[in-house]
Amino acid sequence: DVQLVESGGGLVPPGGSLRLSCAASGFTFSDYWMNWVRQAPGKGLEWVANIRQDGIETHFVDSLKGRFTISRDNNKRSLYLQMHSLRVDDTALYYCARDRATFGTGRDGFDLWGQGTMVTVSS
Amino acid sequence: SYELTQPPSVSVSPGQTASIPCSGDKLGDKYASWYQQRPGQSPKLVIYQDVKRPSGIPERFSGSNSGNTATLTISETQAIDQADYYCQAWDTTIGAFGGGTKLTVL
Repeated sequence: DVQLVESGGGLVPPGGSLRLSCAASGFTFSDYWMNWVRQAPGKGLEWVANIRQDGIETHFVDSLKGRFTISRDNNKRSLYLQMHSLRVDDTALYYCARDRATFGTGRDGFDLWGQGTMVTVSS
Repeated sequence: SYELTQPPSVSVSPGQTASIPCSGDKLGDKYASWYQQRPGQSPKLVIYQDVKRPSGIPERFSGSNSGNTATLTISETQAIDQADYYCQAWDTTIGAFGGGTKLTVL
């Protein structure tokens, strides 16, 4: 099956760190830009970051630069989001999502989503 | 940061046409995508590159984009179309979503 499965979420105190993972299967992972998108409880979607097929080029929403990093391991078909200095307002369901275009520019729609992993930042 | 604005809610009667607008500065110069999200589910791409439908999306779903406004149109609306809808675009290399519109099929 073509799918994305996130893991690594949980309860973390303010100021803590967490690493999310996204395992891809059923498609050639290394052909696609990959993204992280988050959704706070009861709120809308927020794009977080993306990473190019080779892992060299990355982009972040301005508000998260410096606290989050995105990486990938194409041999393991996995995407990661390392989060530091977590704040209460980082509480959200974190989705990984695939850019729809193979060998694309990373600026297309997201045609494959995981089920999300919940991150709760609370003391 | 690039802002996309959607109305919080839109209502439509079954069988009628629903239009959901998304506004942003010079949005017509960018590609817009649209997502459907039903309660408890992950988002689903319904329109990309302004007007294109992914495989499996009914022809009832269509899109347009010009000037400062992109629009998702759902014709012959059905009860199963009741969901939250989000527009999305790229400001050069940074992604942005609209705040979402709750479509109610009365």
